Amino acid sequence: KAGVTQTPRYLIKTRGQQVTLSCSPISGHRSVSWYQQTPGQGLQFLFEYFSETQRNKGNFPGRFSGRQFSNSRSEMNVSTLELGDSALYLCASRQEGWGEGYGYTFGSGTRLTVV
Amino acid sequence: DAKTTQPPSMDCAEGRAANLPCNHSTISGNEYVYWYRQIHSQGPQYIIHGLKNNETNEMASLIITEDRKSSTLILPHATLRDTAVYYCIVSYDTNAGKSTFGDGTTLTVKP
Repeated sequence: KAGVTQTPRYLIKTRGQQVTLSCSPISGHRSVSWYQQTPGQGLQFLFEYFSETQRNKGNFPGRFSGRQFSNSRSEMNVSTLELGDSALYLCASRQEGWGEGYGYTFGSGTRLTVV
Repeated sequence: DAKTTQPPSMDCAEGRAANLPCNHSTISGNEYVYWYRQIHSQGPQYIIHGLKNNETNEMASLIITEDRKSSTLILPHATLRDTAVYYCIVSYDTNAGKSTFGDGTTLTVKP
């Protein structure tokens, strides 16, 4: 079974630009979450999508947005990039089921550097 | 979601059992306990989860106290490759995407 695939692996952007990151979940997983990881802040939850709907949202400015497609693939977009947006962006997918609990499978992440 | 408290770091000798504690005193009845680990520069890896009963899989065992306010992840025979940051999180079954990871425990396995 293929894992969670994130593209690209590495990205360098300039301040003020915008960026789109992609995540392909494990086949059959409809829940996709995005996290930002920085050395100072650790793993911070960005948002979660389920069946093309944003179900949860973390405490990030509106410059951070995302969407999910009918095949469960997800994208996140960051507009007007700032130096502080440099981070490892992780995507995780999860099977859904009531009363059983399922762990997340994470991708390897996209390392974004803003210069 | 309930918050968790973990020691910032622990050491363990190779081949010995590593016991990683986690406090989650505000856990509610429907929240699961999940454990993940992250090896440097990789995405976190799911290890195990539980609700009330102790659990065991090929990677580890999870011991949850009867009052569910704390748990312990046990790696029975730690190897150097188990050196990683271990995260304990609690979340509802269908709200797991909003999980707060915290700072985790950095486990260093020494030869």
